[in-house]
Amino acid sequence: EVQLLESGGGLVQPGVSLRLSCAASGFTFSSYAMSWVRQAPGKGLEWVSGISATADSTYYADSVKGRFTISRDNSKNTLYLQVNSLRAEDTAVYHCVKMLGDSVYYTLDVWGQGTTVTVSS
Amino acid sequence: AIQMTQSPSSLSASVGDRVTITCRASQGIRDDLGWFQQKPGKAPKLLIYSASSLQSGVPSRFSGSGSGTDFTLTISSLQPEDFATYYCLQDYNHPLTFGGGTKVEIK
Repeated sequence: EVQLLESGGGLVQPGVSLRLSCAASGFTFSSYAMSWVRQAPGKGLEWVSGISATADSTYYADSVKGRFTISRDNSKNTLYLQVNSLRAEDTAVYHCVKMLGDSVYYTLDVWGQGTTVTVSS
Repeated sequence: AIQMTQSPSSLSASVGDRVTITCRASQGIRDDLGWFQQKPGKAPKLLIYSASSLQSGVPSRFSGSGSGTDFTLTISSLQPEDFATYYCLQDYNHPLTFGGGTKVEIK
């Protein structure tokens, strides 16, 4: 069974940084692209970033480009999202998502339950 | 970025009803569209990929159709467990973009 367990969220002040992690199990992590998707309280879904299986391609939403960095460690079956210069509008549940194939041009498949980031002074 | 316009934003229906949700892309996206179901407090679940392919384990009452700019998700006979919010997602190019969601409520 595919399992995705996110961690690293919390209550932080504007301007600070966090590193979100996603521990993957139940599938060959190194064979699949991965994404981060967020959902602000009471709002819809927003794709944030994606990375190919071999990490040779990364993509970002315009709203986070230059502030967020996606990476992965295939030896540890772990996906990361470095989030810098946090803003109030970054407040959301951040989901780690396995994609259907090895490139970032597949759709989203299995989702983790998410980790909550709250940005407030 | 490609804009995905989903309609309606909400609907009320009864168990057994046929329900149709539409999604329109701001430009052609071939059949690079998925549909997701989200229940309150839960992570979304993939229902349909490539516009019309049923994900493994998803009941056959769910179906998808369309290509280019106009797409449809149909639930042939609504069941109690289907009351949820549904989202479309284009994976034609980056950034990936979702529709605004359709909340299906009990009439």
